[in-house]
Amino acid sequence: ETGVTQTPRHLVMGMTNKKSLKCEQHLGHNAMYWYKQSAKKPLELMFVYSLEERVENNSVPSRFSPECPNSSHLFLHLHTLQPEDSALYLCASSHISGTGGELFFGEGSRLTVL
Amino acid sequence: GNSVTQMEGPVTLSEEAFLTINCTYTATGYPSLFWYVQYPGEGLQLLLKATKADDKGSNKGFEATYRKETTSFHLEKGSVQVSDSAVYFCALILMDSSYKLIFGSGTRLLVRP
Repeated sequence: ETGVTQTPRHLVMGMTNKKSLKCEQHLGHNAMYWYKQSAKKPLELMFVYSLEERVENNSVPSRFSPECPNSSHLFLHLHTLQPEDSALYLCASSHISGTGGELFFGEGSRLTVL
Repeated sequence: GNSVTQMEGPVTLSEEAFLTINCTYTATGYPSLFWYVQYPGEGLQLLLKATKADDKGSNKGFEATYRKETTSFHLEKGSVQVSDSAVYFCALILMDSSYKLIFGSGTRLLVRP
């Protein structure tokens, strides 16, 4: 496998459920990201992990909990979500360097909260 | 602050028409600039990039030139195809915050046969 892989591609959950999104990168990158893409809104950066340490947390509600056990895997744990959390969640990875590295994205996990 | 501004869409063109999607940026440092494309039902893919002033990025017939004097990175293609229908995102990374990609709001392109 190559690139950035996200699972599941589609997820429907109730507001009281607990679920997780998974992301795996096979590019040897040292940074991983979660973005939220909602209809008619700009892409929102949620979390950034660099060398497995969280370096960015953009005021994301605590019902979203990221986990980065190693440089190749990233999770987003979901708990007690609201309908407005329905969106496409995109994972990305990059190799951080002095000049900045481009991000490589997965195909996204489409989340629907009922 | 640092930001990216794109022209609002949708942009609707006929096949073989000339495409321009405007992008301007505001940055406190010296950014690298990118265009990403998102086809229906997919994630974002890097289309092209430029890392310093006057650089021209190109790929799949698309081009964009890093213009520092006008803080712009407009995307162009001489002859669009139906398969180019997608959402296009302009973005920047700052050297002092090299992990943080800042996106524009995206421009939807629809190419009709």
